[in-house]
Amino acid sequence: EDQVTQSPEALRLQEGESSSLNCSYTVSGLRGLFWYRQDPGKGPEFLFTLYSAGEEKEKERLKATLTKKESFLHITAPKPEDSATYLCAVQARHGAGTALIFGKGTTLSVSS
Amino acid sequence: DTAVSQTPKYLVTQMGNDKSIKCEQNLGHDTMYWYKQDSKKFLKIMFSYNNKELIINETVPNRFSPKSPDKAHLNLHINSLELGDSAVYFCASSQVRDPGTENIQYFGAGTRLSVL
Repeated sequence: EDQVTQSPEALRLQEGESSSLNCSYTVSGLRGLFWYRQDPGKGPEFLFTLYSAGEEKEKERLKATLTKKESFLHITAPKPEDSATYLCAVQARHGAGTALIFGKGTTLSVSS
Repeated sequence: DTAVSQTPKYLVTQMGNDKSIKCEQNLGHDTMYWYKQDSKKFLKIMFSYNNKELIINETVPNRFSPKSPDKAHLNLHINSLELGDSAVYFCASSQVRDPGTENIQYFGAGTRLSVL
């Protein structure tokens, strides 16, 4: 069964204190691993897609990496505006189409 | 101009009522989805349509019925609402449905349903 597990559930950082979020997955044939950001009261906002082990993508203070079993979202020198819930998802076959299988997310709080 | 828009944003209703949530996307995508996010913030797929054809139908009560009048709209009708239906419902859309290709999904802001 396709499954996504994220850790930690919650992470508190001081401004400038770098850290990493983990996403481990089991999926029959990875067709894409996705990172989304979700702010309170809003829908998930797309950040990155990764397709193959060794792939890396960056956006501002965020960098996503992928291995055969997990993905990391590295946050370098975070700012308070990076506070949000970060969701990891894998693309999996469902019926005649595909859907995203999400983890439960990591809620990041960055204080100044 | 909002890419994926849902109405209403909030919906408070009594048990046993019937309600609908509407979704529209102006991205020109051919596939649309409904997800449910429970109180623990866990997002789970419910349905997906491609060009008005139902292609994903997860195990949800048949009180939930999606309808797609055209590829830019996907509505969700819920009959005989129950307390357990309280959640946030998200609509999303994407360009492709081929399992072998990229499938970036863009989400609406959500509809918070509260059943009293």
